[in-house]
Amino acid sequence: EVQLVESGGGLVQPGGSLRLSCAASGLTVSSHDMSWVRQAPGKGLEWVSSIRISAVETHYADSVKGRFTISRDNSKNTLYLQMDTLRAEDTATYYCAKEIRYHYMEVWGKGTTVTVSS
Amino acid sequence: EIVLTQSPATLSLSPGERAALSCRASQSINNYLAWYQQKPGQPPRLLIYDASNRATGVPARFSGSGSGTDFTLTINSLEPEDFAIYYCQQRSNWPLTFGGGTKVEIK
Repeated sequence: EVQLVESGGGLVQPGGSLRLSCAASGLTVSSHDMSWVRQAPGKGLEWVSSIRISAVETHYADSVKGRFTISRDNSKNTLYLQMDTLRAEDTATYYCAKEIRYHYMEVWGKGTTVTVSS
Repeated sequence: EIVLTQSPATLSLSPGERAALSCRASQSINNYLAWYQQKPGQPPRLLIYDASNRATGVPARFSGSGSGTDFTLTINSLEPEDFAIYYCQQRSNWPLTFGGGTKVEIK
């Protein structure tokens, strides 16, 4: 069974950092384009970042560019999102997703919650 | 950035009725559009990709149509489990963007 499990969320102060992890089973992260999508409480979906199979090509939403970094560890079959200089508006549930057909989100994790507050 | 506008914001229908949800793009996106369903406390579920292709395991009562800037998700004969929020998403250009969602609620 294909499964994505996010972890690493929590409460952090503004300006702080967190690293989210997305452990995959039943699929190889290095064989797929992968993404992070977030959802603020009571709000809609917002794409955050994507990494291509090559891992050389990455993309970011303007709202996180320069602060967040997407990466993966093939040996651990895990996707990461390093989040620095966090702001209150980054408060959300963060989902990782396996893409199909060039950037549609086919498989989703259950999400991990990030709260940025003093 | 391509803006996706979904309408209506809320659709109140009874089980067995047909739902038609709209997604309009601020510029042409060819057929590079997906639809997702999200229920409370759950991650989204991919329903339709490339405007009209059902994802694996999606019931045939869900269908998508459209190209260019105007797209429709149709749900024929609503089942109780179909009451949820539906989002569209484009992959034509970076950044990827989602519509604001349409809530399909029980009338």
